[in-house]
Amino acid sequence: AQSVTQLGSHVSVSEGALVLLRCNYSSSVPPYLFWYVQYPNQGLQLLLKYTSAATLVKGINGFEAEFKKSETSFHLTKPSAHMSDAAEYFCAVSDHTDSNYQLIWGAGTKLIIKP
Amino acid sequence: GAVVSQHPSRVICKSGTSVKIECRSLDFQATTMFWYRQFPKKSLMLMATSNEGSKATYEQGVEKDKFLINHASLTLSTLTVTSAHPEDSSFYICSAPIGWEQFFGPGTRLTVL
Repeated sequence: AQSVTQLGSHVSVSEGALVLLRCNYSSSVPPYLFWYVQYPNQGLQLLLKYTSAATLVKGINGFEAEFKKSETSFHLTKPSAHMSDAAEYFCAVSDHTDSNYQLIWGAGTKLIIKP
Repeated sequence: GAVVSQHPSRVICKSGTSVKIECRSLDFQATTMFWYRQFPKKSLMLMATSNEGSKATYEQGVEKDKFLINHASLTLSTLTVTSAHPEDSSFYICSAPIGWEQFFGPGTRLTVL
């Protein structure tokens, strides 16, 4: 069975500092991996996705993530945090061998930006 | 990109009443849609998979008679919370896939008084 672990329910960084949100997965098949962002009382917006192409994936708003098979990780980074990055971030893995393409979700990490 | 809408965005109802939430894929067809429930400060919990032309598939622990799902067309799925109670208050989100990528609606905030 697939699973996703996000280390740290809350991450706090200063504005301008590096953002690192951790995501580890387990999967019996090569995974498709996603990072979504959720602003308060809103739906989810796709930040970026890995679908077995380049291991370093660039997304919107300056975020990127690197797929590391040996570490079963897909950590999300941004070189310089901005106040507008404050939100909840979810990592998810897809069993793309399932015809329904269901997503397995991490518990989420709340990113707090300190001025 | 593909757009999924939800209506209403926010609803307040009295205990014992039923509430219908609509999920529409605006510019694509979806034979499958997913309904999620999100508790405060928690991740998304998949409630059910809505299938056009057939019965929905519910996740373990989700009451089928409580949460009625109807996939009326290739662009519309509805979730009806029947005889709502305060513990049903939550944020409900739908999604529709194109291939392996899911597109999410903006969510519906349900408050049951």
